Amino acid sequence: AQSVAQPEDQVNVAEGNPLTVKCTYSVSGNPYLFWYVQYPNRGLQFLLKYITGDNLVKGSYGFEAEFNKSQTSFHLKKPSALVSDSALYFCAVRSPSGTYKYIFGTGTRLKVLA
Amino acid sequence: DAGVIQSPRHEVTEMGQEVTLRCKPISGHDYLFWYRQTMMRGLELLIYFNNNVPIDDSGMPEDRFSAKMPNASFSTLKIQPSEPRDSAVYFCASSFSTESSYEQYFGPGTRLTVT
Repeated sequence: AQSVAQPEDQVNVAEGNPLTVKCTYSVSGNPYLFWYVQYPNRGLQFLLKYITGDNLVKGSYGFEAEFNKSQTSFHLKKPSALVSDSALYFCAVRSPSGTYKYIFGTGTRLKVLA
Repeated sequence: DAGVIQSPRHEVTEMGQEVTLRCKPISGHDYLFWYRQTMMRGLELLIYFNNNVPIDDSGMPEDRFSAKMPNASFSTLKIQPSEPRDSAVYFCASSFSTESSYEQYFGPGTRLTVT
């Protein structure tokens, strides 16, 4: 069965420091992996995805994520955090075969402190 | 493109009443998803459609919930009768199934409060 784990409910980081939001997954076959961000009272916004190819993918707003097959991880990173990055971040996974169902993690709240 | 459109944005209703949530997906997208978000249960997939056909409704909590997609540009999620535990934010999302795509685009959500 597919699953996604975001082990941290909340991550605090000082503005200007690098940030990491963790995600691990379990899926049969090669996964399709996604990161979304949700600001208060808004829908989820797509940030970046890994489908195939280079393990380091770059997305919107300076975010990037590294696909690590051996560790079944897809951590979200940014070299220098901004206060405006404070939001709820979701990792999602989909198996490339069979169902088109996406499994979302429980979300990690990122707080960037000025 | 206007993105995924949902209406109403807020709905307050009394227990036992019928509630209808509406969604207009992005033009050209062939998949449509309905999700429910609560603090306790997080983001739950309720049902999804492909080319207007329901593919998986295993997430629909009860027979009180039903969803339709009469055409490529419109979908509804109906709750009848509504109960206080249905209070949540309901999101509609759409996507286009190509090799370079797959990401979902979410609407702003409908915040439902059942009293």
